[in-house]
Order: sequence, then structure tokens, then C-alpha cells
Amino acid sequence: GAVVSQHPSWVICKSGTSVKIECRSLDFQATTMFWYRQFPKQSLMLMATSNEGSKATYEQGVEKDKFLINHASLTLSTLTVTSAHPEDSSFYICSARDPGQNSPLHFGNGTRLTVT
Amino acid sequence: LAKTTQPISMDSYEGQEVNITCSHNNIATNDYITWYQQFPSQGPRFIIQGYKTKVTNEVASLFIPADRKSSTLSLPRVSLSDTAVYYCLVGDEGGYNDMRFGAGTRLTVKP
Repeated sequence: GAVVSQHPSWVICKSGTSVKIECRSLDFQATTMFWYRQFPKQSLMLMATSNEGSKATYEQGVEKDKFLINHASLTLSTLTVTSAHPEDSSFYICSARDPGQNSPLHFGNGTRLTVT
Repeated sequence: LAKTTQPISMDSYEGQEVNITCSHNNIATNDYITWYQQFPSQGPRFIIQGYKTKVTNEVASLFIPADRKSSTLSLPRVSLSDTAVYYCLVGDEGGYNDMRFGAGTRLTVKP
């Protein structure tokens, strides 16, 4: 089945630094990927839609200059949290859809970001 | 965009059948219904997807009435490892309307 790989699975960084999270579709090409953030005991919140070869579409309230998304190829999207602060500590998850008919979303295993 | 409503939480015991219902009153003609399972600190995992009537796979069944304004995920003979959060999403085939999550249902299976 379709697999989405996310890396790293966890990262600890100091306040003010930037962190990059990678999301890869391993056995299919994903023209669109989605990035989510999840706080403890809460649901997934869609942050942005990443489109291959074009700018990402951000949800209302998500700072595009803080959460930089690059989708340079059909199998890779990256999310960079710039100038991270403790309040950015969260669980970040990416997903993609195999372009096959009726295909559901496939999710990465998430990245636990802790900003100290 | 069809909004979904689910119970916040449910409790069950090992070996019982669990039914989780999701309401989606304004589902569109082209929308499919998809259920996901999420364990702590993991990404959601696809369980089952359907359009109408009944769908069954090796882990669950999905019941969808004729009006499609709700759906019920049925988990037969749950075990402790089925303790998780379950989300139903509604969106059109090949489209991207189903990527926004509702609150989900936290299922706790007790011994």
C-alpha cells in the first residue's frame, strides 16, 4: 500500500533556531501534500496544502513566513519552522493522497518538535 | 464542505462490538466517507471508506443509510489495542475537501 515517510520522528531545538521536517511519498507521486499540527489531546489541525511546483496554500491563522513549505518534487515536501519558539512545540504530521481513484489520505508517522 | 459530528468519547470492554456513529448532514453527492484510527504519537491510519450501504474489510464494517447523512463504523470484538481516537472524514473522490479533521471519538477498551 501507499506509504508516506516523515523525518525526523522527533527533534529538540533551541529557541530561535529553525527546524526542517521532510515528508516523502515512497511508492507514489503526490502532487499535493498536507501538513497538520496536533497539540496534546486535540485533533489534527490543517496548517497548509503543499502543491508541487507552486506556492503552498495556508489555512487562516497560520503564518506562512514562519512555516515555510517547499514541494519541489512529486515525492517530497518539506516544512521548515523558522525561528522556533516554545509555543511551536507540537506534533507535526504530513499526509498525501495516492492519485489513484478513491484513494484515502496516507499519513506520515509525525514529528515531535520540542523547542527549549 | 461537509461538517462531521461524532461522540467525544466511548468506553467498551474487550470482546464487545463497538459502533461509532458520525453525522454529516450536508454531505454532497460526490462525497465519500472515510474513517481513520490514530494512536498516541502516531499519524492517523486508514481504516475503511465507503459511499453507500455497507462496506466490510478485515478490520471493520461501515454502514451508511440511504440518505447518507450519517455513517457508523463497526469494530467487531474489540481488544485493548483498539484503544485509540477514531475520526470520520467526508470529501469528494479525488478532491481535497476531506482533509480537515473533526474532534474524533476517543475509544477506550477496558479489560
